[in-house]
Amino acid sequence: DTGVSQNPRHKITKRGQNVTFRCDPISEHNRLYWYRQTLGQGPEFLTYFQNEAQLEKSRLLSDRFSAERPKGSFSTLEIQRTEQGDSAMYLCASNLVDYGYTFGSGTRLTVV
Amino acid sequence: TQLLEQSPQFLSIQEGENLTVYCNSSSVFSSLQWYRQEPGEGPVLLVTVVTGGEVKKLKRLTFQFGDARKDSSLHITAAQPGDTGLYLCASNFGNEKLTFGTGTRLTIIP
Repeated sequence: DTGVSQNPRHKITKRGQNVTFRCDPISEHNRLYWYRQTLGQGPEFLTYFQNEAQLEKSRLLSDRFSAERPKGSFSTLEIQRTEQGDSAMYLCASNLVDYGYTFGSGTRLTVV
Repeated sequence: TQLLEQSPQFLSIQEGENLTVYCNSSSVFSSLQWYRQEPGEGPVLLVTVVTGGEVKKLKRLTFQFGDARKDSSLHITAAQPGDTGLYLCASNFGNEKLTFGTGTRLTIIP
């Protein structure tokens, strides 16, 4: 297990289409986080899971966004009816304790 | 809402020079983490500081945590081109999610 894996690395989609991203965390980590990062900004929290339970969602996560973590392993983040404002880097991170998150390389979404 | 302010926002210096970047908050940090992020990649954890007044060293990088745990600094000695990147501070302020600063974008000119 070499780290947090995110797929795809890049996604270009037309406005109005649905997209889904996948995150495979470090296997022994029970917490998984999704963040969004726009150009020139630090990552912003979207949601997090402890095992399969989604414990917190940011106000940034509109009704068009949904995240799942079935069986407490990998997670998916789906965006429905994409808008140009959704263009960003979507980062996944995992950890086992409160310190020291391990981030994936992210999925860069471009909505045209 | 807890905010982390980082300064400077941009810094461009010559190879071999020293530099310091800062992270401040109006709230007390339960702990503070520093990350470095390269273009197209996720942030990579450099260090976690927990105790007020703590100093940690990582090769040419020195991290200080303020006595009141409301500020931190990162000092790089003899900067090298490989130090180029976005430096982010982050804290969970005692809950599960990390709040990040806006970062300092550092460019080291060979």
